[in-house]
Amino acid sequence: EVQLLESGGGLIQPGGSLRLSCAASGFIFSSYGMSWFRQAPGKGLDWVSGISASDGATYYSDSVKGRFTISRDNSKNTLFLQMNSLRAEDTAVYYCGKDSPVVTIWGQGTLVTVSS
Amino acid sequence: EIVMTQSPATLSVSPGERVTLSCRASQSVSSNLAWYQQKPGQAPRLLISGAFTRATGIPARFSGSGSGTEFTLTISSLQSEDFAVYYCQQYNNWPPGTFGQGTKVEIK
Repeated sequence: EVQLLESGGGLIQPGGSLRLSCAASGFIFSSYGMSWFRQAPGKGLDWVSGISASDGATYYSDSVKGRFTISRDNSKNTLFLQMNSLRAEDTAVYYCGKDSPVVTIWGQGTLVTVSS
Repeated sequence: EIVMTQSPATLSVSPGERVTLSCRASQSVSSNLAWYQQKPGQAPRLLISGAFTRATGIPARFSGSGSGTEFTLTISSLQSEDFAVYYCQQYNNWPPGTFGQGTKVEIK
């Protein structure tokens, strides 16, 4: 069964850092582009970042460019999102997704709350 | 950035009814349009990609149509498990793959 399991969310003060992880199983992780999305409380879906399978090229939304870094460890079937200089507006449930740009499988999400 | 607009924001329907949801793009996205379903407290689920191709395991009562700037998701006979929020996403200009604001299908 294809599964994605996010972790690393929590309560963090403005200006702080968090690293999200997404553990993948049930498919050949290294063969697929992967993405991060987020959903603020009561709001819609926003694409945050993506990473290709072939050359590891990375892409970011304008709202996180320069603050967030996406990476992957194919030996551990894990996707990461390093989030620095966090702001209140980054508060959201963060989802990882298999395939890009159309996400065929979503993780269950991890909540990030940025508040003092 | 391409702006996706969904209508209506909320749709109140009874089980068994036919439902039509609309999604409009601010410029042509060809057929590069996906639909997702999200139930409360759950992650989204892919329903349709390429404007009309159902994802694996998606019931035939879900169908997509359209191209260019106008798209439709139709549920032929609404089941109780279909009450959810539906999002469209364009991926013709990626990144970013922009989403509509969602249409909530609620029980009448």
